Amino acid sequence: KAGVTQTPRYLIKTRGQQVTLSCSPISGHRSVSWYQQTPGQGLQFLFEYFSETQRNKGNFPGRFSGRQFSNSRSEMNVSTLELGDSALYLCASSLRGPPDTQYFGPGTRLTVL
Amino acid sequence: GQQVMQIPQYQHVQEGEDFTTYCNSSTTLSNIQWYKQRPGGHPVFLIQLVKSGEVKKQKRLTFQFGEAKKNSSLHITATQTTDVGTYFCAGHTDKLIFGTGTRLQVFP
Repeated sequence: KAGVTQTPRYLIKTRGQQVTLSCSPISGHRSVSWYQQTPGQGLQFLFEYFSETQRNKGNFPGRFSGRQFSNSRSEMNVSTLELGDSALYLCASSLRGPPDTQYFGPGTRLTVL
Repeated sequence: GQQVMQIPQYQHVQEGEDFTTYCNSSTTLSNIQWYKQRPGGHPVFLIQLVKSGEVKKQKRLTFQFGEAKKNSSLHITATQTTDVGTYFCAGHTDKLIFGTGTRLQVFP
């Protein structure tokens, strides 16, 4: 089975721009969770989608949004980028969502200049 | 909100020494998971603990879940250079919250 894929792998943006990241889960997995990883804050939970519905949300501002499509692929959007949004964005898929095992993708490294 | 803390933040050991990381939650957990992230990689699932006081072993790794289901530990016996990475616990209530991680460096 193919693993979780994320595109793009690297991205450089400037402040004020917006960005869309994509995640394709493992075939058959219906849950996709997104995390932000920074050296100082560790892995911060953004949101979780299951069958196209957001089931859970972390403590991030409204500039961070996401969605899930009928094929379980998910996208995450960040609008009005700030320098502090520079991070590794990881998505993880699982069969039914936590506490099922989370299978992580390689991540998208976002740099905001 | 729910918080999961890990100590220590960093640990440097000589190959062959033991290593332990501790995980503490501000709330009672329904279960806890452990993940390992190699440098430059992504987190990989190691194990899940569900029962109060549960102990599980994977070769040189021993995982414990506290009686109150608010803390957990990972102990590695006789570390090897392949153990290098960051170890995260992740506590589950209504969502999965990752701990702050412990970065392990092993010197040959």
